[in-house]
Amino acid sequence: DSGVTQTPKHLITATGQRVTLRCSPRSGDLSVYWYQQSLDQGLQFLIQYYNGEERAKGNILERFSAQQFPDLHSELNLSSLELGDSALYFCASSEDRGNTEAFFGQGTRLTVV
Amino acid sequence: AQSVAQPEDQVNVAEGNPLTVKCTYSVSGNPYLFWYVQYPNRGLQFLLKYITGDNLVKGSYGFEAEFNKSQTSFHLKKPSALVSDSALYFCAVRDGPTDSWGKLQFGAGTQVVVTP
Repeated sequence: DSGVTQTPKHLITATGQRVTLRCSPRSGDLSVYWYQQSLDQGLQFLIQYYNGEERAKGNILERFSAQQFPDLHSELNLSSLELGDSALYFCASSEDRGNTEAFFGQGTRLTVV
Repeated sequence: AQSVAQPEDQVNVAEGNPLTVKCTYSVSGNPYLFWYVQYPNRGLQFLLKYITGDNLVKGSYGFEAEFNKSQTSFHLKKPSALVSDSALYFCAVRDGPTDSWGKLQFGAGTQVVVTP
């Protein structure tokens, strides 16, 4: 158990809908990262928050947004969903900015039908 | 920008034989390098990292990796593979102090299959 909790584990929704994925980082970790894993794109970095502020942005679509709350949990919002958004979405957390390893949650499998 | 290459989609090895999973990287500054393993329907598990210091890094489950700056490589090794090592292995790089906010760039992954 990595100590990173993601909910829900599975999500099935229709095209055009909006969903929210939730992540609770390891106790004491200030950085939260979101990744998307799909068969054709591999593991893609989406966005990183550090202590409530956005710090790095990757290949995140405009339809997607995220935030980190004062209690350090984070949410990833996906809207106007398309079939191609079906993927495994991972949250990871780490202690500080860069030279420590990140610990991953078990992911949320999103299926858009 | 940083990048990672894992040149082999799959590595097949017999149980008890040495296992090597290859990784090369490209960064503009000093690399921070990581190996992760993913079992089916699970998240990624951290194996080991190289930040600075000794080029040979030892990690979890008997794995080790050697940092080679001249060849820009960070190959993962295990002297004697187990069937339970069968999984998907990812190499990742961060562009050290120039990208201190921590974005990790992952390779495409290498599937390791260990046969009894």
